[in-house]
Amino acid sequence: QVHLVESGGGVVQPGRSLRLSCAASGFTFSSYGIHWVRQAPGKGLEWVAVIWYDGSKKYYADSVKGRITISRDNSKNTVYLQMNSLRAEDTAVYYCARDQSRGYRCPDTWGQGTLVTVSS
Amino acid sequence: QSVLTQPPSASGTPGQRVIMSCSGSNSNIGPNYVYWYQLLPGAAPKLLIYKNDQRPSGVPDRFSGSKSGTSASLAISGLRSEDEADYYCATWDDSLSGGVFGTGTKVTVL
Repeated sequence: QVHLVESGGGVVQPGRSLRLSCAASGFTFSSYGIHWVRQAPGKGLEWVAVIWYDGSKKYYADSVKGRITISRDNSKNTVYLQMNSLRAEDTAVYYCARDQSRGYRCPDTWGQGTLVTVSS
Repeated sequence: QSVLTQPPSASGTPGQRVIMSCSGSNSNIGPNYVYWYQLLPGAAPKLLIYKNDQRPSGVPDRFSGSKSGTSASLAISGLRSEDEADYYCATWDDSLSGGVFGTGTKVTVL
């Protein structure tokens, strides 16, 4: 059974950094791309980033480019989202989600999400 | 600001058919597969349709998807109270080199 568990969320001050983790199980992790998608309070889903199955390609939304870095450790079945220079508008539930393929499709399975609140 | 446009709301009585649209462009829906997700309050998004019109196992055949040109649609037949949720379309955008989601449609069962 495919399982994704996010962690690392919390309350952080504007301008500070936070690293989210996504631990995966139940499938061959190194064969799938992983996305991060967020939902701000009262808003819709917003795609954030994707990393290919082997880490060779990474793509970011314009709204986070230069501030957020996605990475993965296939030996630990884990994907990370390093978020720097956080802003109030980054406040959201962050979901990690498995790509339907190696990173060039859309998500098929999602985690439960972790809440990030950027506030002074 | 999403590049995929959905109607903000749709509604129907139990048993009715509801259809919602997802409008894009030649850089996203045109050349790529469309996916649909159901979002219930407090729950993770659930995949309903993949590759335009394919249903994952476990998704009732009341849900169906289609795509034509730069637009896609999701239809719910035999509407049930548990279908009351937010629905999002998604695809890849070749110009943005990134994923994109629709603005979302809230379905209400009257």
